[in-house]
Amino acid sequence: QVHLVESGGGVVQPGRSLRLSCAASGFTLSHYGMHWVRQAPGKGLEWVAIVSFDGRNNYYAESVKGRFTISRDNSKNTLYLQMNSLRTEDTAIYYCARDRVGSSWNFYYYMDVWGKGTTVIVSS
Amino acid sequence: SSELTQDPAVSVALGQTVRITCQGDSLRSYYASWYQQKPGQAPILVIYGKDNRPSGIPDRFSGSSSGNTASLTITGAQAEDEADYYCNSRDSDGSQNYVFGTGTKVTVL
Repeated sequence: QVHLVESGGGVVQPGRSLRLSCAASGFTLSHYGMHWVRQAPGKGLEWVAIVSFDGRNNYYAESVKGRFTISRDNSKNTLYLQMNSLRTEDTAIYYCARDRVGSSWNFYYYMDVWGKGTTVIVSS
Repeated sequence: SSELTQDPAVSVALGQTVRITCQGDSLRSYYASWYQQKPGQAPILVIYGKDNRPSGIPDRFSGSSSGNTASLTITGAQAEDEADYYCNSRDSDGSQNYVFGTGTKVTVL
């Protein structure tokens, strides 16, 4: 069974840091790009970041660029999200998701496996 | 960055058909993927590519695309289909970022 399990969430004060982890099982993490997606209370899904299968390339939403860092340790089958300079608007459930790419007449991209999420609350 | 716009809410009678649309410039370059999210649960993938369903997704779910609009159709909606639905696409501005739609709440009457 393919599983993703997030951890590391909690309550943190504005301006502080937190590191989230996402443990993968049932598949070889090093074969896939990985995403972080978040959802603020009562709001929609927001894409946060993606890291390539080998960790060499990563891309971020403008809302977190310069503050968050996505990384991975394929030897531990684990994905990370280092969150610095946290703001109240970063309060959300954070999900990790597996990246997939397909092609027909053009490329298409999707997230086929999701974790259950970990909750981050930024509050003084 | 691109935006993907969805109607906030739609309703459908039990057993009838409902179409959810997603509009955005990036859809001229990439197919949308669609995700179902029920309260308190993580999203799950229901449609990807031109019209592909992951294993376990009922065939009453289908996808289509034309120009800058992607659609998710539920043919013969069931009570368990009541959920929020989000489209997603890679951004077409060269950033290699991704964008989610604003989400549609589907109510089955």
